[in-house]
Amino acid sequence: EAGVAQSPRYKIIEKRQSVAFWCNPISGHATLYWYQQILGQGPKLLIQFQNNGVVDDSQLPKDRFSAERLKGVDSTLKIQPAKLEDSAVYLCASRSAGGSRNPSSYNEQFFGPGTRLTVL
Amino acid sequence: AQTVTQSQPEMSVQEAETVTLSCTYDTSESDYYLFWYKQPPSRQMILVIRQEAYKQQNATENRFSVNFQKAAKSFSLKISDSQLGDAAMYFCAYKIGNTGKLIFGQGTTLQVKP
Repeated sequence: EAGVAQSPRYKIIEKRQSVAFWCNPISGHATLYWYQQILGQGPKLLIQFQNNGVVDDSQLPKDRFSAERLKGVDSTLKIQPAKLEDSAVYLCASRSAGGSRNPSSYNEQFFGPGTRLTVL
Repeated sequence: AQTVTQSQPEMSVQEAETVTLSCTYDTSESDYYLFWYKQPPSRQMILVIRQEAYKQQNATENRFSVNFQKAAKSFSLKISDSQLGDAAMYFCAYKIGNTGKLIFGQGTTLQVKP
């Protein structure tokens, strides 16, 4: 099956500009996550969707970050305006709802290749 | 709050040798899952191995195995017969029950020397 797709792979912007990232999860995966991974650190969850509803956005800087998952499939993450400290890799991941048909993958998150953002 | 700590920023191992990566975590939960993820230089995160907290038996996946010490809140990864392709950053991660939210450690960069 196709993996999690993300675009663009790289983005360079100047501070105070806006930027948007796109994620297409694995087909049928109800749960979608956006993580921020600053260089040299582990990923940090920004927001979690279940279908098109937000489950957890407690770590999302809502004054500048926004995310949506219309129709419960693709998702976009936007930063407006960007700051220098937003330079990071933004990872999207998806997870199936699981169940008896595929219990071995119930808890696994599949990650996309990420978008590397550089803010100058 | 749940935390995950990886105290080894960098490790190196000779090809074909064995290496152990350390991870400790802190939680008051009883139902949780632990994972080791591999992130090669291309940056796509791949699941290496997982452990359910209620299982006493240590998980094993081919050359990868874990030493899960629940009372000590320790979860180390052992890589046997190391290969050049094992070179990557390894992250220990913790997940509470069915929430799906992962908490990652800081990562350990593994270098494999030929």
